[in-house]
Amino acid sequence: AQSVAQPEDQVNVAEGNPLTVKCTYSVSGNPYLFWYVQYPNRGLQFLLKYITGDNLVKGSYGFEAEFNKSQTSFHLKKPSALVSDSALYFCAVRDMPPNDYKLSFGAGTTVTVRA
Amino acid sequence: GAVVSQHPSWVICKSGTSVKIECRSLDFQATTMFWYRQFPKQSLMLMATSNEGSKATYEQGVEKDKFLINHASLTLSTLTVTSAHPEDSSFYICSARGRGGSYEQYFGPGTRLTVT
Repeated sequence: AQSVAQPEDQVNVAEGNPLTVKCTYSVSGNPYLFWYVQYPNRGLQFLLKYITGDNLVKGSYGFEAEFNKSQTSFHLKKPSALVSDSALYFCAVRDMPPNDYKLSFGAGTTVTVRA
Repeated sequence: GAVVSQHPSWVICKSGTSVKIECRSLDFQATTMFWYRQFPKQSLMLMATSNEGSKATYEQGVEKDKFLINHASLTLSTLTVTSAHPEDSSFYICSARGRGGSYEQYFGPGTRLTVT
């Protein structure tokens, strides 16, 4: 089964510093990977996805993620974090056929950016 | 584009009553809609998948008679929690996926259900 792991429950950074949220994956075949962000009492917002092509994927709100096949990782990054980036972040992977319409989510990482 | 709405955003009901939550895709046709449940500071748990005009597919351990899902049109799916109990209190989130090869899901803002 496809799965993703987010090894850190929490990440704390100072505003203006680089932000990294880690995600590793375990898949059969080529991975389809996603990052979502959730603000308190809100649904998830799509940030970016990797399906194929360049290993560096650029997404919304200045976020990017690097697909690393050898390390089976898909870490989310932002060069300069903002206080407003404080939220819950989820990594997700598409399941294998015939369940490829489903996404499996990691446990989530809470990001706190202090002013 | 790709906006999904949910109604209501929060609801309080008494134990034993039923409550209906609506999920609408506002600017696209959603061939598939998903219903998730999320506990505080936890990940999303997929409850069921519904395709327009057909019966929902429930995940293992989810009671289909308790969580009734109807996907009556390409823009509307409803989740009815029947005979609600306090343990059903949770944050319910729907998502929708459109036609074609795109695999991302677009999420609604969620519905906070509190059963007293």
